[in-house]
Amino acid sequence: AQSVAQPEDQVNVAEGNPLTVKCTYSVSGNPYLFWYVQYPNRGLQFLLKYITGDNLVKGSYGFEAEFNKSQTSFHLKKPSALVSDSALYFCAVRDPRRSNYQLIWGAGTKLIIKP
Amino acid sequence: GAGVSQTPSNKVTEKGKYVELRCDPISGHTALYWYRQSLGQGPEFLIYFQGTGAADDSGLPNDRFFAVRPEGSVSTLKIQRTERGDSAVYLCASSLGQGPTDTQYFGPGTRLTVL
Repeated sequence: AQSVAQPEDQVNVAEGNPLTVKCTYSVSGNPYLFWYVQYPNRGLQFLLKYITGDNLVKGSYGFEAEFNKSQTSFHLKKPSALVSDSALYFCAVRDPRRSNYQLIWGAGTKLIIKP
Repeated sequence: GAGVSQTPSNKVTEKGKYVELRCDPISGHTALYWYRQSLGQGPEFLIYFQGTGAADDSGLPNDRFFAVRPEGSVSTLKIQRTERGDSAVYLCASSLGQGPTDTQYFGPGTRLTVL
């Protein structure tokens, strides 16, 4: 079955330091992968996606993610964290072989950036 | 341009009552999705529309839940005989096309509380 794992419930990073939010997936073949961010009392905002091509994907607000097929991972990264990056981050996957276009979601990782 | 809008933002109802939640997608988006999100969890797929028809309603938990999109734009999620377990944030998303690479854009959600 398709699944997404975000192994860390919470990640704490000092402002200015690099950050990584981890995501691994279980989908046969070549998946489509997405990252979204959710601020308190707001909807999910799209950050970036991997479809094909270059394994390093650049997205909104200075975020990027690296697709690693051998490790079935799609970790979200940012070189220098801002306090305003503090939010809940969700990884999602879609199996392109299936006609069902729903996204399968991870449970989310709370990112806390400390000044 | 305007994003996905959802009304009401909050809905408090009593057990056994009927509720309707509305979603207004981004203009021109043909696909529309409903998700449900409980505290501390990722979104859970409910139903997906392509145009006016429900292309996939496999996520609806039972027959108390129903959704329509009569003119291929605005959608309404209807819940009959509400139960306390229905309390959650109901998210709506839309995408330009129906392909698996299309990005879903989310509304702010409706927080439903069943007393």
